[in-house]
Amino acid sequence: AQKVTQAQTEISVVEKEDVTLDCVYETRDTTYYLFWYKQPPSGELVFLIRRNSFDEQNEISGRYSWNFQKSTSSFNFTITASQVVDSAVYFCALSEAAGSARQLTFGSGTQLTVLP
Amino acid sequence: GAGVSQSPRYKVAKRGQDVALRCDPISGHVSLFWYQQALGQGPEFLTYFQNEAQLDKSGLPSDRFFAERPEGSVSTLKIQRTQQEDSAVYLCASSLANRVDNEQFFGPGTRLTVL
Repeated sequence: AQKVTQAQTEISVVEKEDVTLDCVYETRDTTYYLFWYKQPPSGELVFLIRRNSFDEQNEISGRYSWNFQKSTSSFNFTITASQVVDSAVYFCALSEAAGSARQLTFGSGTQLTVLP
Repeated sequence: GAGVSQSPRYKVAKRGQDVALRCDPISGHVSLFWYQQALGQGPEFLTYFQNEAQLDKSGLPSDRFFAERPEGSVSTLKIQRTQQEDSAVYLCASSLANRVDNEQFFGPGTRLTVL
């Protein structure tokens, strides 16, 4: 069965600091997809990124970057030069390609607070 | 553009009451998901539809929970004889196709409080 662990429950940083959110996953599938979602105080989950298990290239999008390492089953998310608007709960999620299941398995989330 | 909408946004029920939560997915989206999010936790899968067919209901916690999507568009999650442990945010998500790599678009959720 799949599992996603986000060990950091809460992180607090001062604006302009860099911050990395950790995500470790477990799966028996060889084909799977990893996601990051942001949940601001309004409650709506916002999609940030998707990676498949065959693509270990790191990705950068503006101030956001993702480091996918199959060897350690990790998919970490870094925000560079954090801003107050980055304050939210961030969720890492996994979906497996095997069978008919299409649901996401989420971690418990990391509450990020960026202080001015 | 219209995203996923859910109603009501907030629902307070007395223990033992039945409730119905509505989800309007993005037009044309084939797949629809229901998740339950307890306070301080990540969303947990409840059930999944492809068009009107309920393909997976393995996450429904008990037979008091029932979901339907009769015309392959709007979906309703019904909880009978609500109990306090049902208090949570219920999230609906839709995706364009029945593919595991499809992005799921989430609605704002319905916060259910059972007194």
